Amino acid sequence: GAGVSQSPSNKVTEKGKDVELRCDPISGHTALYWYRQSLGQGLEFLIYFQGNSAPDKSGLPSDRFSAERTGGSVSTLTIQRTQQEDSAVYLCASSLEVGPWPQHFGDGTRLSIL
Amino acid sequence: GDSVTQMEGPVTLSEEAFLTINCTYTATGYPSLFWYVQYPGEGLQLLLKATKADDKGSNKGFEATYRKETTSFHLEKGSVQVSDSAVYFCALWRNTGNQFYFGTGTSLTVIP
Repeated sequence: GAGVSQSPSNKVTEKGKDVELRCDPISGHTALYWYRQSLGQGLEFLIYFQGNSAPDKSGLPSDRFSAERTGGSVSTLTIQRTQQEDSAVYLCASSLEVGPWPQHFGDGTRLSIL
Repeated sequence: GDSVTQMEGPVTLSEEAFLTINCTYTATGYPSLFWYVQYPGEGLQLLLKATKADDKGSNKGFEATYRKETTSFHLEKGSVQVSDSAVYFCALWRNTGNQFYFGTGTSLTVIP
């Protein structure tokens, strides 16, 4: 597609439910990044993919968070047993390759946990 | 650990005023430095970057110079316009670990 697409744009769910966030990167971009932006905070780096591989998962906030990428394209970020502190905007970005390349960001998914 | 610290906002300026948004960083090695901008209702987009010491990134009248001696990458513009109203994020990329670190963002409002 023309840009990075994220869905849903907004998600409201009850505490304890699982949620799945989707990111469709720019075609041909091998690198994909997930960030979290909480109110008044900067972008918190969560995880990156080089192709389908995520070499370092240490940035994920807890073991309730997981991410995968298939076919070198679409990625999903899954949060299990959501907590109120998970409420944030989740941003996805892609770039040609992993490295100091310009990142192209999606519009984000605003997640609200009641 | 690595981090980016940028001046807190919000910043309000009159049109044609001079802009400086301070950014300092802490990092091992030789990171690459970036400024990203988020205009109202839009996603983050790259404004400029510098990949080594003394490099100057520039775009749309904005400039920032990679100063290793002061670990800084301050954003400047000589004459701001109303259309520059946005949130500006300083960011760092280090090749070990392949991680980006973003600052908290500085909101700029330019009034006519």
